Amino acid sequence: GQQLNQSPQSMFIQEGEDVSMNCTSSSIFNTWLWYKQDPGEGPVLLIALYKAGELTSNGRLTAQFGITRKDSFLNISASIPSDVGIYFCAGQLRATGNQFYFGTGTSLTVIP
Amino acid sequence: NAGVMQNPRHLVRRRGQEARLRCSPMKGHSHVYWYRQLPEEGLKFMVYLQKENIIDESGMPKERFSAEFPKEGPSILRIQQVVRGDSAAYFCASSRGQGVWDTEAFFGQGTRLTVV
Repeated sequence: GQQLNQSPQSMFIQEGEDVSMNCTSSSIFNTWLWYKQDPGEGPVLLIALYKAGELTSNGRLTAQFGITRKDSFLNISASIPSDVGIYFCAGQLRATGNQFYFGTGTSLTVIP
Repeated sequence: NAGVMQNPRHLVRRRGQEARLRCSPMKGHSHVYWYRQLPEEGLKFMVYLQKENIIDESGMPKERFSAEFPKEGPSILRIQQVVRGDSAAYFCASSRGQGVWDTEAFFGQGTRLTVV
């Protein structure tokens, strides 16, 4: 299957800092999604992106659909303790029947 | 509109028994994905199904694991003769699977399988 490379694998930051993570692929995707997973729960959809260059915000979260359509970025501003969790990117590939492919996740720890 | 429903939330099986994990997709969704997650790790793709069809099973172990999504009823992930290494959280996600309207996938809360 398709491989999505998500980085960094883990981050330890101070409360109040901004966070940046990204996802890259060798394939061109038509949709990018970002999810957050709290411990013991299923991933929850945060932001969906549908067009190259699109920049979308959800509160303190901002995500961008890369111009090349092979990457996406998620930024979290002014992090707070409840931002702790694993963040997953997902790309949708029309060429394989609209299948979604997931990155391996970025584990975020926020130190109060 | 109920979300993706998985049951049971927790399942304990003895080695050698069978485990059946169920996933009811969101209303209007006809495509289902199954993922496996070990503690502190990411989601590993297992299988992608639409009603009565397996679209991609490249992530499924060749033996003991099977998945189905019948015309009526939930999708079932079946693990026969479970071993300790099968202990993990199993997540299901669903999407519309209808061309241009299939733009988002939503997850259930997972089934945590423990093999003792």
